[in-house]
Amino acid sequence: NAGVTQTPKFQVLKTGQSMTLQCAQDMNHEYMSWYRQDPGMGLRLIHYSVGAGITDQGEVPNGYNVSRSTTEDFPLRLLSAAPSQTSVYFCASRQKNRDSGYTFGSGTRLTVV
Amino acid sequence: GQQVMQIPQYQHVQEGEDFTTYCNSSTTLSNIQWYKQRPGGHPVFLIQLVKSGEVKKQKRLTFQFGEAKKNSSLHITATQTTDVGTYFCAGPRGSTLGRLYFGRGTQLTVWP
Repeated sequence: NAGVTQTPKFQVLKTGQSMTLQCAQDMNHEYMSWYRQDPGMGLRLIHYSVGAGITDQGEVPNGYNVSRSTTEDFPLRLLSAAPSQTSVYFCASRQKNRDSGYTFGSGTRLTVV
Repeated sequence: GQQVMQIPQYQHVQEGEDFTTYCNSSTTLSNIQWYKQRPGGHPVFLIQLVKSGEVKKQKRLTFQFGEAKKNSSLHITATQTTDVGTYFCAGPRGSTLGRLYFGRGTQLTVWP
């Protein structure tokens, strides 16, 4: 199993550009989430999904869209990049049962100039 | 705002000393999870606590969940340089287990 795969690992965008961060998992996990990590702020939840076709907002959803057309994939779209979106983005997935924790991808480091 | 508050933000210890990080919530949590993130890495799940007053151990790590299920702690006995990293607690917001909110973490530095 590859676990949670995120692409790209690094990305530089110009202000106003759009892009999609890819996330795929091969563990048949029902739950998937996107977090951003900024220094001193911990991990903040952007969007999450409890199953294919079901998504909801987290703490900091503005400027981001998600969709979950399959169990495996959970892409994160930046609609119009802003310097405030410079961050490290982590995708994570977990099983639905109550005892499991999230498995994280290795992250995407995004810089918006 | 943050669902869970975590203190301290930073901790520097000499190798062999003990370390504790604390997590507090204003609301009752159905469960709490702990993660470790090594420098430059991604968070890795350590453990989940569910029951009031629960205590779990993993070698030198001891995890506790408060009786009121509003606080938790992680204690490391006799720290080693391999313990370096940031430790996060995380709790679900509301009844949706998929909506997991993290504390800001405690960054542990261990001096040899």
